[in-house]
Amino acid sequence: EAGVTQSPTHLIKTRGQQATLRCSPISGHTSVYWYQQALGLGLQFLLWYDEGEERNRGNFPPRFSGRQFPNYSSELNVNALELEDSALYLCASSMDQGSKNIQYFGAGTRLSVL
Amino acid sequence: GQQLNQSPQSMFIQEGEDVSMNCTSSSIFNTWLWYKQDPGEGPVLLIALYKAGELTSNGRLTAQFGITRKDSFLNISASIPSDVGIYFCAGQLIGNQFYFGTGTSLTVIP
Repeated sequence: EAGVTQSPTHLIKTRGQQATLRCSPISGHTSVYWYQQALGLGLQFLLWYDEGEERNRGNFPPRFSGRQFPNYSSELNVNALELEDSALYLCASSMDQGSKNIQYFGAGTRLSVL
Repeated sequence: GQQLNQSPQSMFIQEGEDVSMNCTSSSIFNTWLWYKQDPGEGPVLLIALYKAGELTSNGRLTAQFGITRKDSFLNISASIPSDVGIYFCAGQLIGNQFYFGTGTSLTVIP
């Protein structure tokens, strides 16, 4: 069974451009989470989607947005890129089993803003 | 979102030594998870804990779900160079809502 897959692996953009990152969850998982990880730092929660709806949002400006498609895959869009947006963007998926839920992570997309 | 208090922030140890790290929260969690992240990769699940007081092992790793359900501990015995990485704890609060610790960076000196 395939794990969480993210594309592209690496993305290079210039300041002011837009970036689109994609994530396919594990089959059967309805929740997708997005995190930003700047070099050497912790995971900063960005967005949580479940059943096509945005469930929660981290403390990020509105130029960070996303959506979840009917097949549960997800897109993260970052508009008007700034240099400090350079980071590893991680996607995770989860299935709601009540109390025994686990997040599984993809390998990430490394975004570099020049 | 909320982040758990994870300590220590970093550790430098000699190969063969034991390692301990912990996470605390003001909230009660249903599930505690421990992950390891290698440089440039996504976090990989090490251990999942589902019940207060539960003690679970995975090879040289042992983790415990605190009795109060507000904390968890991870121990690594007889560390080896490949244990190097960042270790994260995570708690599941309700439904699919998760919170992550700030991470513990582990360096093992051969």
